[in-house]
Amino acid sequence: GESVGLHLPTLSVQEGDNSIINCAYSNSASDYFIWYKQESGKGPQFIIDIRSNMDKRQGQRVTVLLNKTVKHLSLQIAATQPGDSAVYFCAENFPSGSARQLTFGSGTQLTVLP
Amino acid sequence: DTAVSQTPKYLVTQMGNDKSIKCEQNLGHDTMYWYKQDSKKFLKIMFSYNNKELIINETVPNRFSPKSPDKAHLNLHINSLELGDSAVYFCASSPYPRGQSHEQYFGPGTRLTVT
Repeated sequence: GESVGLHLPTLSVQEGDNSIINCAYSNSASDYFIWYKQESGKGPQFIIDIRSNMDKRQGQRVTVLLNKTVKHLSLQIAATQPGDSAVYFCAENFPSGSARQLTFGSGTQLTVLP
Repeated sequence: DTAVSQTPKYLVTQMGNDKSIKCEQNLGHDTMYWYKQDSKKFLKIMFSYNNKELIINETVPNRFSPKSPDKAHLNLHINSLELGDSAVYFCASSPYPRGQSHEQYFGPGTRLTVT
């Protein structure tokens, strides 16, 4: 299954299928991107990150793709499991004065169906 | 061991009251943050402190005042609470500017309900 982030904030997939969650970012100065998973009643948890000098990074069952030309990120989850049900956020990180700031996207609710 | 902890987890209070939320991190990080998450799950940064110094202060009413007694703690005090302050508040920490990672580690959140 696939979402378009802001336009489809919920995504339902069958257990065992692959999931694709999409995200558009806005700041051209962003040079670091993170995907977070937030389960109900908990804080966001780091899943995977990618720097702007890369276009793909793989983790365990997850892959992040970055297209800087169109300012687009995607998170692919292979063989989706019930424990993957959560809200997924992309976040862009950029320098802000002497600090670095993290701006979150609106989130996509992933529901895994048995 | 809990990396980023917040107290209390739930806070129910009446309009006009003053309340505080506490945050502690045991990761040795230099930078700490406060975020507000609204009912639509939108997460927005409020403040950032680096080594007890305020470095990010987004457009937040001045009823909100962060205080960092040391680099492991960042508390949030809210005066004259309003209904619109109801949200989940998350504390986070980051090793920035030390190290290569800009990852932020989040606490479990404090659900504030103003009645």
